[in-house]
Formats: sequence, C-alpha cells, structure tokens
Amino acid sequence: VQLVESGGGLVQPGKSLKLSCSASGFTFSSYGMHWIRQAPGKGLDWVAYISSSSGTVYADAVKGRFTISRDNAKNTLYLQLNSLKSEDTAIYYCAKGYRFDYWGQGVMVTVSS
Amino acid sequence: DVVMTQTPPSLSVAIGQSVSISCKSSQSLVYSDGKTYLHWLLQSSGRSPKRLIYQVSNLDSGVPDRFSGTGSQKDFTLKISRVEAKDLGVYYCAQTTHFPRTFGGGTKLELK
Repeated sequence: VQLVESGGGLVQPGKSLKLSCSASGFTFSSYGMHWIRQAPGKGLDWVAYISSSSGTVYADAVKGRFTISRDNAKNTLYLQLNSLKSEDTAIYYCAKGYRFDYWGQGVMVTVSS
Repeated sequence: DVVMTQTPPSLSVAIGQSVSISCKSSQSLVYSDGKTYLHWLLQSSGRSPKRLIYQVSNLDSGVPDRFSGTGSQKDFTLKISRVEAKDLGVYYCAQTTHFPRTFGGGTKLELK
C-alpha cells in the first residue's frame, strides 16, 4: 500500500488549493478514504471522509469550505480547500479505510499573507 | 462529538521498562454491528502516523507482541512491555465508531 499526497504550498487567506492523494497497492475503489490534518506541534484533527460509493462527511470546521472527492479510474483522492484561513495551516494526510489502515507521508499547507 | 481523553500526556521510560497509556471516550465506542472501533497509532519523530492496533486489541502485521490493547465501551489501555528505542514517539488513540472521527491528545513516549 502506498499513499502519496501532493498539491500543498503557501497560499493567502481566502484563496483556494487542491490536494491530491495518489493510491497504489490496493483496490482503491473498494475503500473509503479520509483526510486528516495536523497543525504544527499539535495533535491529529480529522477533516473529511468519502466512502467507496462517494458518500461524504465533513468536520464542522471545514463544512462548506472543503470538498472531498475521488476518481477511481485514476486511483486518486482529492481535497478542494476554499476560503482558506490561517487556522487551516497544517500537514494534511490521507488515510485508507474505515479504520485508518495506512497513512500517506503528508503534505504541508500554509495559509499566510 | 466524542471526546477522547488520553493520559498521561507524556511518559519518560528506561529501555526495557513497561508502560501503559489510558484512553477514555465520552461515549461508548461499540458500533451497531457489535464491534468497537478504537485504534492505536504511533507517530515517530518527523513521520506520519502508523496504526499499531485496530479494534481495541488486534495487532497490525509486523507489530511485536510487546504491544497489547485492552478495554471495552469507554475505557481502553495500550500496554508496551519491554520498551525499545524504536517505540519512542507520540501515541494516539482514535475512534472510528462515530462521526466526526476523533483522536486522543497524544502521549509522548521518551527516554528517561
């Protein structure tokens, strides 16, 4: 199993960013997937979940601003981040499965002017 | 939201010592299927989290049997016997019974 995140970077408040998580080593279409973030020096903070059938659930802190999606043909998970705030600054991890089976290496998102 | 209270926040241990970490949830973690979706993760320094134990007591592949998980309903414990240097890092409990998913605050295991 391998999960590789990409798309992070420095972005101004109010702007947008799209993260990707490329999956391999398992049947991607059969598994739900999560995004989880970790602010610098802090603990883990769950962001969103998408089921194998593309049902979605979001944390209140990101509802209406972030959108999780998947492309099973490309074995890729996405997170669209809109209306970014400074408090969204974090490492963003994708994780496989209902039980956080495997995690990617993470991608840094910094929201600052 | 389910609040996960993890104690202690830090532990200083000598190599070979045994330690226990507690994780208490504000609600029962038993799902409607009868299973308990409480897991333990380890985040070594500068690395991404790695799951060690799933559903209270099931060790992931490659995890030594020095690790054990016990508990039920709202009260869970991770025990590490004969701590080795590679066990150091931050341990998190996590629940995937309820949405939103939540994590304990972490327990930092470091060398005495």
